[in-house]
Amino acid sequence: GQQLNQSPQSMFIQEGEDVSMNCTSSSIFNTWLWYKQDPGEGPVLLIALYKAGELTSNGRLTAQFGITRKDSFLNISASIPSDVGIYFCAGPPGLTGGGNKLTFGTGTQLKVEL
Amino acid sequence: DGGITQSPKYLFRKEGQNVTLSCEQNLNHDAMYWYRQDPGQGLRLIYYSQIVNDFQKGDIAEGYSVSREKKESFPLTVTSAQKNPTAFYLCASSTGIQPQHFGDGTRLSIL
Repeated sequence: GQQLNQSPQSMFIQEGEDVSMNCTSSSIFNTWLWYKQDPGEGPVLLIALYKAGELTSNGRLTAQFGITRKDSFLNISASIPSDVGIYFCAGPPGLTGGGNKLTFGTGTQLKVEL
Repeated sequence: DGGITQSPKYLFRKEGQNVTLSCEQNLNHDAMYWYRQDPGQGLRLIYYSQIVNDFQKGDIAEGYSVSREKKESFPLTVTSAQKNPTAFYLCASSTGIQPQHFGDGTRLSIL
């Protein structure tokens, strides 16, 4: 199946630093979703994006839907220890909209040093 | 509280044995999904169901089976045909165009 490429694969940052990660696809998406997964738990939805160019915030998190519709970006400001986890981008392949089959990225593992 | 419940949290399988993972949701969602997650990798779709009594294969359905007899329940059976079943299994549900919500997973290991 189709893959979404996430980068970086992992990040080791200092507490208080800002974090940026991105997700790219070879095809167009109409919806971009960002999830966070803590160890041993299921992914939790952070932000959903539905329109090209859209910029949406959730607390210290900000995500953007790329204008080309083939990429998305997630930024975390002033990281704290509880930001540790794996961040996944996801989206429905094709033009079917959200809620049906999703393709997931390979994940960005974030580690925060105190 | 509404949510998705997966059980058991940990499961062990013997060679040649079928095991069934439970997934129940009380969100009144129409669609349900099963994913497999291997260490350091993303989620891969095993099976999904958009309505009761109907389901479709995902990207890695071989060695797995499902049923959808009730809207709330979507159990996954890992059969003996699945030669590498050790993984973290995640169930999700959704409705309409809303994003999927996930359970807390079942970790399956081989004895």
